[in-house]
Amino acid sequence: DTGVSQDPRHKITKRGQNVTFRCDPISEHNRLYWYRQTLGQGPEFLTYFQNEAQLEKSRLLSDRFSAERPKGSFSTLEIQRTEQGDSAMYLCASSFSGTGVAYEQYFGPGTRLTVT
Amino acid sequence: GEDVEQSLFLSVREGDSSVINCTYTDSSSTYLYWYKQEPGAGLQLLTYIFSNMDMKQDQRLTVLLNKKDKHLSLRIADTQTGDSAIYFCAEERDDKIIFGKGTRLHILP
Repeated sequence: DTGVSQDPRHKITKRGQNVTFRCDPISEHNRLYWYRQTLGQGPEFLTYFQNEAQLEKSRLLSDRFSAERPKGSFSTLEIQRTEQGDSAMYLCASSFSGTGVAYEQYFGPGTRLTVT
Repeated sequence: GEDVEQSLFLSVREGDSSVINCTYTDSSSTYLYWYKQEPGAGLQLLTYIFSNMDMKQDQRLTVLLNKKDKHLSLRIADTQTGDSAIYFCAEERDDKIIFGKGTRLHILP
């Protein structure tokens, strides 16, 4: 297993454009999380899925943001009409939720978004 | 991440022990974590501790938990140059992880 992967690693876009990021979790993990990290801050929770169901969305996730996990495997995070304030590192993490299993989230390398 | 507090910087001489401190707010957190982030790299889960434990040791790492004071610490013995990174304290809350702002550990020669 190669761990959590994210694509692209870097994205530069102009304000107002739409962008989409992809995350591939560890294959046996049923939970997938999206976080956002800005400079000098820790990661902040955005949303998470258990299998294909989106269970929670943070208030940070405005209506310009949408996330999907259609088949319970990979996930996409789309940002519409990007703003300069969207510039950040977008991190994906996955974990396995099951009885008696330790609660460990494993993170991908992130997608760094720069909005110009 | 403002609910989890940690100092922003720590400088330690190579070979000495590093102690990074953290306070958290949610007494119902089941798990508390330490993550490491190196430049250009993702977050690496270093260790975690269950809330019913006081201490956990893993090679050079020792985690101490004081539930009464909601205080968590990470001790790195024999600090090496490869330990230079940002260390995030984090707590589990309602199936998500709440992070502090991170402590940048600088190793002095």
